[in-house]
Amino acid sequence: GNSVTQMEGPVTLSEEAFLTINCTYTATGYPSLFWYVQYPGEGLQLLLKATKADDKGSNKGFEATYRKETTSFHLEKGSVQVSDSAVYFCALNTNAGKSTFGDGTTLTVKP
Amino acid sequence: DVKVTQSSRYLVKRTGEKVFLECVQDMDHENMFWYRQDPGLGLRLIYFSYDVKMKEKGDIPEGYSVSREKKERFSLILESASTNQTSMYLCASTPGRSNQPQHFGDGTRLSIL
Repeated sequence: GNSVTQMEGPVTLSEEAFLTINCTYTATGYPSLFWYVQYPGEGLQLLLKATKADDKGSNKGFEATYRKETTSFHLEKGSVQVSDSAVYFCALNTNAGKSTFGDGTTLTVKP
Repeated sequence: DVKVTQSSRYLVKRTGEKVFLECVQDMDHENMFWYRQDPGLGLRLIYFSYDVKMKEKGDIPEGYSVSREKKERFSLILESASTNQTSMYLCASTPGRSNQPQHFGDGTRLSIL
């Protein structure tokens, strides 16, 4: 079956540090890949997506590249801010919009 | 923008009660989903629906049922609430195409006493 494995947290960084959250997946076919962010007390919201190999998704300074050869979709940001503190979920879709999610990585950014 | 609205942000119920959680989306999406979110366990799919009056079990359907009488509304029912159903419940919707993301409500934090 499909699965998503993401870097265990929690992750604590200082403001302006470089962020990487690793995500690897197992899937049949050609999934679409997503990163979602969940701020405290809210539901998940889409951060970025990529629908085919070598696509790069980007939004709000975050980036992730769909790597089919390594089955990975790592999230990166060059300089994090306190406001980036949240839980980040990697996910994939294979059919009819049903998603498989990773367990989430909690990021805390300190001033 | 797609809006997914869950009827309650916080809910407190007693063991044995029948509990209804309501979810409405305003973008004519075919697919709707119910998840529960618990610390250390991520998101777990309870039930989903691809169309009106259609439903399929997810990974943890025991103790739950669902209803989808109208396309925009998807209800989660706890037939006889138990304390182990205390959790955050998230509703989501998506159009039928597989490359589209899910749109989530803000969640209902349910406590069963």
